[in-house]
Amino acid sequence: NAGVMQNPRHLVRRRGQEARLRCSPMKGHSHVYWYRQLPEEGLKFMVYLQKENIIDESGMPKERFSAEFPKEGPSILRIQQVVRGDSAAYFCASSRRDNEQFFGPGTRLTVL
Amino acid sequence: QKEVEQDPGPLSVPEGAIVSLNCTYSNSAFQYFMWYRQYSRKGPELLMYTYSSGNKEDGRFTAQVDKSSKYISLFIRDSQPSDSATYLCAMTDPHGSSNTGKLIFGQGTTLQVKP
Repeated sequence: NAGVMQNPRHLVRRRGQEARLRCSPMKGHSHVYWYRQLPEEGLKFMVYLQKENIIDESGMPKERFSAEFPKEGPSILRIQQVVRGDSAAYFCASSRRDNEQFFGPGTRLTVL
Repeated sequence: QKEVEQDPGPLSVPEGAIVSLNCTYSNSAFQYFMWYRQYSRKGPELLMYTYSSGNKEDGRFTAQVDKSSKYISLFIRDSQPSDSATYLCAMTDPHGSSNTGKLIFGQGTTLQVKP
């Protein structure tokens, strides 16, 4: 019974490059949430998706960030033209229709 | 003012002690309350999930919700060194305008249990 899978676990990018973070939800889960954790801070909600739909992106920065959850395959969080301030741990969580969210191991993004 | 307040600690206790972790919140619409444990450089692990006011017990862990005071607690009995981690409270308003179930987290309390 695999949990939430995220890859890569560590990602290093230079300023201006693109970062792609992947999340495969738990089996049977159709709701995906992305959160960001900055050093010394709690987790902050970014976006909530269901298959082929963005339900709530109120926590996403207006520019450079996008997310998708296609009919087939993992959910993708994409950050274009990364800057040093994007360095953080990015966590994906999945759930069924109820509110119990289960988190993946995270992707630690470092921008040089 | 943050929606959810949590003392970051650190909190250091001897092995076997009873640990009390707390969060306060400002949004009276929150109805689901969770506690997550996060080990260093790992993902949050769901410990307790409660709805509305009252107590819920699971092994050495007890979650308590007091909606009238907007205050939630997690108690750990017979604490062990393996309990050393950051504990995050989280809550959600399932009937909010966006009705999305997004979690609002506290900052997390770092706990160290010394042998």
